[in-house]
Amino acid sequence: AQKITQTQPGMFVQEKEAVTLDCTYDTSDPSYGLFWYKQPSSGEMIFLIYQGSYDQQNATEGRYSLNFQKARKSANLVISASQLGDSAMYFCAMREGDSFTGGGNKLTFGTGTQLKVEL
Amino acid sequence: AAGVIQSPRHLIKEKRETATLKCYPIPRHDTVYWYQQGPGQDPQFLISFYEKMQSDKGSIPDRFSAQQFSDYHSELNMSSLELGDSALYFCASSPRTGTYEQYFGPGTRLTVT
Repeated sequence: AQKITQTQPGMFVQEKEAVTLDCTYDTSDPSYGLFWYKQPSSGEMIFLIYQGSYDQQNATEGRYSLNFQKARKSANLVISASQLGDSAMYFCAMREGDSFTGGGNKLTFGTGTQLKVEL
Repeated sequence: AAGVIQSPRHLIKEKRETATLKCYPIPRHDTVYWYQQGPGQDPQFLISFYEKMQSDKGSIPDRFSAQQFSDYHSELNMSSLELGDSALYFCASSPRTGTYEQYFGPGTRLTVT
């Protein structure tokens, strides 16, 4: 089974609108972390936001927020007030376990969502 | 703020040649990860090091080896290169504890001809 599922291969959004990128995950480990990365066409992988499994509040970083629904195993990324520079591939990723439970901290990525922001 | 440094940024090799990729983590980050991203693919974990010891191993071919040195920089050595090794190779670093946020370098784009 896929550990990270991103069901939207491509998304379009109008400039200044909000957009939600979906991510569901599958793990039996009680300790895990969820990440979102942005990869522009230039190729670099830019860290956006992190949510730990024990965090009580949804993570926010500027225009990015993570809608964490633990029971549904979803960690959707919400980008508010989209800008042309937000056009990129977005990857959801998961770390399972932690240094206390013996987890290796490696990230497992989803297949990504290509976001295009239009005027 | 200092970021992860990777060198070279681009590398062209022929089949059966060897390549060495270098990674310099963010200062005070003691864990280094290597990922391989094929064209149109998501990044795949290869190997990681914590305090100069291998901490985890993913789908890394036997032709590849890696190590972390006393100054925490890491090198990925790739031998008997194949066309399928053409990919973007990322190094990431993180502190061992805390939020485990992994910060990626700009990547090395390897082309095997």
